[in-house]
Amino acid sequence: DTAVSQTPKYLVTQMGNDKSIKCEQNLGHDTMYWYKQDSKKFLKIMFSYNNKELIINETVPNRFSPKSPDKAHLNLHINSLELGDSAVYFCASSQAVRVEQYFGPGTRLTVT
Amino acid sequence: AQSVTQLGSHVSVSEGALVLLRCNYSSSVPPYLFWYVQYPNQGLQLLLKYTSAATLVKGINGFEAEFKKSETSFHLTKPSAHMRDAAEYFCAVIGETSGSRLTFGEGTQLTVNP
Repeated sequence: DTAVSQTPKYLVTQMGNDKSIKCEQNLGHDTMYWYKQDSKKFLKIMFSYNNKELIINETVPNRFSPKSPDKAHLNLHINSLELGDSAVYFCASSQAVRVEQYFGPGTRLTVT
Repeated sequence: AQSVTQLGSHVSVSEGALVLLRCNYSSSVPPYLFWYVQYPNQGLQLLLKYTSAATLVKGINGFEAEFKKSETSFHLTKPSAHMRDAAEYFCAVIGETSGSRLTFGEGTQLTVNP
């Protein structure tokens, strides 16, 4: 069984469009995250939710909006996509706040 | 704020040789440290973690790492490299004041030559 899953795996879209990435975890974890990996493979946290409450909101354009309908799901909606949004987006989850995090397979977003 | 520095963006070893990937951290409080591996076009997989218990930590796939407070280091080693170890390796830290925020190093690409 997949622990942390993301859909879609690949997303190709044009500038100005709005798109969403979905994430689900079946580990029973309380905390979920979104990370962005750029073209140089650098990973940086974007958001974190604990029990559906936003606890980390890094300096991310407000075109990015996370939504957590329940503890097992954390979606990422992006408005007015820009070329610079092209990256791999990873969802992750953890049992608690200061423990290891488990990552999904990633969503490769390409904005043309 | 905590940070992680990985020395060497590319490391190349021969199959069967020792693997040593270097990681130094900066944290004002005892950190929690992690090593993750990323195979091509895949997500990150946890190799091992240090959470203030034993300073020598054993992980999966024969990897281990030693926490050295005096050197602020958490280097990753494996006695004998396999071709399947070729991947990107990331060191990461969670500091006391960072909540659940994982701060990653820039990664080290490991190449294993036959």
